[in-house]
Amino acid sequence: GESVGLHLPTLSVQEGDNSIINCAYSNSASDYFIWYKQESGKGPQFIIDIRSNMDKRQGQRVTVLLNKTVKHLSLQIAATQPGDSAVYFCAESSPSNTGKLIFGQGTTLQVKP
Amino acid sequence: ETGVTQTPRHLVMGMTNKKSLKCEQHLGHNAMYWYKQSAKKPLELMFVYSLEERVENNSVPSRFSPECPNSSHLFLHLHTLQPEDSALYLCASSQGHRGEKLFFGSGTQLSVL
Repeated sequence: GESVGLHLPTLSVQEGDNSIINCAYSNSASDYFIWYKQESGKGPQFIIDIRSNMDKRQGQRVTVLLNKTVKHLSLQIAATQPGDSAVYFCAESSPSNTGKLIFGQGTTLQVKP
Repeated sequence: ETGVTQTPRHLVMGMTNKKSLKCEQHLGHNAMYWYKQSAKKPLELMFVYSLEERVENNSVPSRFSPECPNSSHLFLHLHTLQPEDSALYLCASSQGHRGEKLFFGSGTQLSVL
């Protein structure tokens, strides 16, 4: 069956360090992946997305890496700041699932000052 | 602000009450969604509307009744809920109804007593 999972429920990093949040997916037909950030009391906020024809995509201080061979997705945050503290979700979609987004459970990122 | 507004932000209701959640999007999108977010569980898709027609109903109990009068407004009517229905209910919108790049509201935190 389909599942999207994150390797660690909580990640604690020092301010200024780089953060890497990992996500594994099971559907090899998935062709679109997306990362969301959810701060306390708010809805999920789009961070970055990537299609399966790419291996890497960069945004402002964030990079998403896609390894289709091992069905692994990661979000890298450079120079992590206290404002990055939040829950991060990955999600995937595939044509075989009518493009519906399947969400993972979330990783809580804690930034220590 | 993401352009998706939900009201109320918080709602406490008894099991015999009838209430409605409201969502409005100002992004010109043509698809709208209801998601349920429970603690320690992935986001669960409840309903999808595309161009005011319901295109997906994920086996949601009939005590949840959605309504989409136009492409900018979405309601979730609630009646005779159970305590296990307590959760954060998130509304989202997108340009198409394939679920890509959803824009979420801040949610309604619902408590059923």
